[in-house]
Amino acid sequence: TQLLEQSPQFLSIQEGENLTVYCNSSSVFSSLQWYRQEPGEGPVLLVTVVTGGEVKKLKRLTFQFGDARKDSSLHITAAQPGDTGLYLCAGEAGGGADGLTFGKGTHLIIQP
Amino acid sequence: GAGVSQSPSNKVTEKGKDVELRCDPISGHTALYWYRQSLGQGLEFLIYFQGNSAPDKSGLPSDRFSAERTGGSVSTLTIQRTQQEDSAVYLCASSSGVWGPGQPQHFGDGTRLSIL
Repeated sequence: TQLLEQSPQFLSIQEGENLTVYCNSSSVFSSLQWYRQEPGEGPVLLVTVVTGGEVKKLKRLTFQFGDARKDSSLHITAAQPGDTGLYLCAGEAGGGADGLTFGKGTHLIIQP
Repeated sequence: GAGVSQSPSNKVTEKGKDVELRCDPISGHTALYWYRQSLGQGLEFLIYFQGNSAPDKSGLPSDRFSAERTGGSVSTLTIQRTQQEDSAVYLCASSSGVWGPGQPQHFGDGTRLSIL
């Protein structure tokens, strides 16, 4: 069974600060996806990383896939209250038939 | 429709009753997934359909759970003789079904199931 350890589980910071969320596993994934989920809604895909060492930027969000494709990070620069939400990392083992393995999520609160 | 549609959005039922949850995927998406989200457990993968076929049902929590998909479109997840531990949000997702890593999954808003 593949596991994804996501940390921190909870994070509350002030507007303007930087933060990093980590996602680690002992297993290799073919891709790593990051989702954001609002209360009462389904997860919405933010980004997918496929290649080891890959870095993707989405405005103030930077996503990195580890060289060995076992870990990933999400870095937010100058956090805004609109960034508040549940962030989920999800690993894909193969081509889709196994579904996604999700971390337990990071509840992020950005205080104005 | 434009997105994945799930119904009902909320379901409250008594222990021991059967429930049926419905998922209508994005038009043209051949891959369909069911997940369960429980407090403290995160999202747990249940089952995957490619077309009408589910190659592996081992992710279903018990033999009280079953799922089917007809016409390569709508899917239903059925829970028989519900137990209190079945209380959770059941999420459905669909994707294009193109083979290869990194295919995005599009999620519905889920069915919140509460067993009294």
